[in-house]
Amino acid sequence: SQQGEEDPQALSIQEGENATMNCSYKTSINNLQWYRQNSGRGLVHLILIRSNEREKHSGRLRVTLDTSKKSSSLLITASRAADTASYFCATDWTIGDGLTFGKGTHLIIQP
Amino acid sequence: GAGVSQTPSNKVTEKGKYVELRCDPISGHTALYWYRQSLGQGPEFLIYFQGTGAADDSGLPNDRFFAVRPEGSVSTLKIQRTERGDSAVYLCASSLNRDYEQYFGPGTRLTVT
Repeated sequence: SQQGEEDPQALSIQEGENATMNCSYKTSINNLQWYRQNSGRGLVHLILIRSNEREKHSGRLRVTLDTSKKSSSLLITASRAADTASYFCATDWTIGDGLTFGKGTHLIIQP
Repeated sequence: GAGVSQTPSNKVTEKGKYVELRCDPISGHTALYWYRQSLGQGPEFLIYFQGTGAADDSGLPNDRFFAVRPEGSVSTLKIQRTERGDSAVYLCASSLNRDYEQYFGPGTRLTVT
């Protein structure tokens, strides 16, 4: 089963706007990672946030984590056409190995 | 530095045949993972190596799947008696150690006809 669930499944915005994607999960985690994937191949690592952290930034990316609600969000500010991709959250459980991915959010940036 | 590499990039095989997929992790990464991704889905965990040993193979779907990492670097995923349902993109990832960022290779697209 897929523990992480991204929301929305698809998002289309105008270039320059901000994009927000959410992720919910079910069990305790060590960390949560966000990835980007273009054309169904090769995932690019964006940010890792640990269970004792609440917020992290990397360039135009901002990730929050709320362990009480078992949810995370990814904010991309000042979106660009090149940000068009699928975005996945992946949880690293406290028990077991390997990441558990959701189905992803397909983001389209309209020029 | 060099990222994770996987060969071949594409593999077409007939039902019932045996295939091997290779992964070269980032140098110095002790942890190596295999995942499988079907169209429209996120990757699904198959197996995790810490060094040479398979620390967790709970994601392997059945005994037709096997993976090795004999020297703690390169890993090979082996699939016996392939079935059409095995068609997917097989992704390899490595990380410095357990609980660190995982870096993915470009994947091998396996098609079983």
